This record gives sequence, structure tokens and C-alpha cells, in this order.
Amino acid sequence: DGGITQSPKYLFRKEGQNVTLSCEQNLNHDAMYWYRQDPGQGLRLIYYSQIVNDFQKGDIAEGYSVSREKKESFPLTVTSAQKNPTAFYLCASSRGTGGFEQYFGPGTRLTVT
Amino acid sequence: GESVGLHLPTLSVQEGDNSIINCAYSNSASDYFIWYKQESGKGPQFIIDIRSNMDKRQGQRVTVLLNKTVKHLSLQIAATQPGDSAVYFCAEKPPNFGNEKLTFGTGTRLTIIP
Repeated sequence: DGGITQSPKYLFRKEGQNVTLSCEQNLNHDAMYWYRQDPGQGLRLIYYSQIVNDFQKGDIAEGYSVSREKKESFPLTVTSAQKNPTAFYLCASSRGTGGFEQYFGPGTRLTVT
Repeated sequence: GESVGLHLPTLSVQEGDNSIINCAYSNSASDYFIWYKQESGKGPQFIIDIRSNMDKRQGQRVTVLLNKTVKHLSLQIAATQPGDSAVYFCAEKPPNFGNEKLTFGTGTRLTIIP
């Protein structure tokens, strides 16, 4: 079964702690993305990567970091610098050049108290 | 910056009726548009897409219409079913980005009334 997996589905952390969200894809896609979704709102782009070992900031990158050491994996770290980290986080991937459709994972709901 | 918006945040439709969800986009140069369906607590699922060189595209029970003159996109769902209840997002891809970044609208919540 090809697809995108995100783990865990629910994550709870104390304020001041860094936390890493996992995203893995077996679609052989070149591009991967991280979005944040707040209640009743659309998706806002945090970071994206078009190729291994390269990534760019999206619209709301402050307080987040990523790595892309493998084609299949694009983990997102929510650092203590992120002022309002509680949200629903979505990972997506796309084929890359010419392939615009993004496939989404099931999401991770992060709650920081 | 450019953004994609929706005319109505909520829409209720009787089961079996047709529904139309609208979307206004602001970048007249966008060359690709896509509709997603998101059920509660899940990731968005692809419904249908359309390139800017087309006016209409049909899928199974869904049709997307693109009116470039007024920068308007719509999603028509025929013979709605309870499983169609969800939030629907449109997204656009501005051209010549050098990548495949999409800009998403805020979404319309569609409720099917049994």
C-alpha cells in the first residue's frame, strides 16, 4: 500500500520542550511539505523540500525546523521558540516537476500545555 | 500576498440534491487548481483538479468549472450522499514558481441533511 504516514496521531507536550513529528512516504515522490491547520482555517505552509538535502521556508517557518536526509522522510521539529504550537499538522508529498497534486498524510494533532 | 478565498463558509444540502461550492482566486496567472475534501480529524483527500487551459472537468459525481474571466472556481457534487459531508478546500498554483507550492483557501463546510 503506497501512501504517507504520520506518527503519532496525537501528541502531548509540556511548554518549553521540543517535539519532532514524523512523516514518511513510499510514493517515490521528490517533493514533501509540512502544513499547519488551526480550527476553522485553511492550510498554512511551514516548510517544503523539493529534493533530498534541500528545503525552503514556507509562510510560517518561525519556531520550526526540518531535515530531508532521505527521500522518504521529512521530519518536523516544533521548537520551544514556536509561540503557539498547539495545532493539527499535516504532511504532504508530490511527484515534483510537473506533478502538482499533493497527497496528504492523516495528520498529527499536537497539544502543548 | 495572493490568496484563495471561498464565498460561503458553510453549506447545507438535502441528501440527493446537487451542491455547488464556490471559490474565488486572486492570482489571474495561476495555472492549476485543485479541490480537496477533508473529513473531521483526517488529512485532505484529492477530489479533482483542472488546468487553466480548461473550463470544465468531470469526475465521478463531481464537476469542476473554471471561469478565468472572473477568477472563479466551483465544485459541483451531484446526488449528494451523507458521506459527502466534509470541509472542501480549493487550492491554486501560481505559475513559474519553480516548485509545486499550492495556496489553499479557508474551506467550506458541507453538511448533507438526511
